[in-house]
Amino acid sequence: GAGVSQSPSNKVTEKGKDVELRCDPISGHTALYWYRQRLGQGLEFLIYFQGNSAPDKSGLPSDRFSAERTGESVSTLTIQRTQQEDSAVYLCASSPRGDYNSPLHFGNGTRLTVT
Amino acid sequence: AQKVTQAQTEISVVEKEDVTLDCVYETRDTTYYLFWYKQPPSGELVFLIRRNSFDEQNEISGRYSWNFQKSTSSFNFTITASQVVDSAVYFCALSEAGRGSYIPTFGRGTSLIVHP
Repeated sequence: GAGVSQSPSNKVTEKGKDVELRCDPISGHTALYWYRQRLGQGLEFLIYFQGNSAPDKSGLPSDRFSAERTGESVSTLTIQRTQQEDSAVYLCASSPRGDYNSPLHFGNGTRLTVT
Repeated sequence: AQKVTQAQTEISVVEKEDVTLDCVYETRDTTYYLFWYKQPPSGELVFLIRRNSFDEQNEISGRYSWNFQKSTSSFNFTITASQVVDSAVYFCALSEAGRGSYIPTFGRGTSLIVHP
């Protein structure tokens, strides 16, 4: 079946502009995660959605970052007033139940470049 | 708090050499899972293996093997007879059962370069 799909694959934006990144998880997966990967760095957790529960936003670095998810499907990560330090690959992942023993299924990521 | 340390930033080997990637973790939970993921140059992270905290048996899958030792809080990954296709960044991750939301913590990754 289809995997996790992210769009766009690449985004170049000017400093100060807003951007929206989209994630389509695997159908039926209730849990959805956003991570950020800076060049040469590990994966930095941003936000987690599980079913209809309130999202865990503890990883969002500032109030310029927000994310929404429609039911158990598409999620959008929005970065307002982008800064150069926001340049990174943004990875989305989903898992069937979001429990601690479920591996994550990742998309190919969106490479964001802020000029 | 949970923490995963992959001290090796980059490893370079020649094809057919064996290589071990280290992973050391910290957790206060007694119930947890450990994972390894592979991120090839194409970018998509792929799940390789998981191990729960109550199962210390080593596992072998083809050229890959994993050594889990609770006494040293380590979950090391060995590739035997490495191949060029093994070149990738490898991530170790930890997920605790006691945490309200099950958010895996990832290490910084180890970049493995296998030269022909």
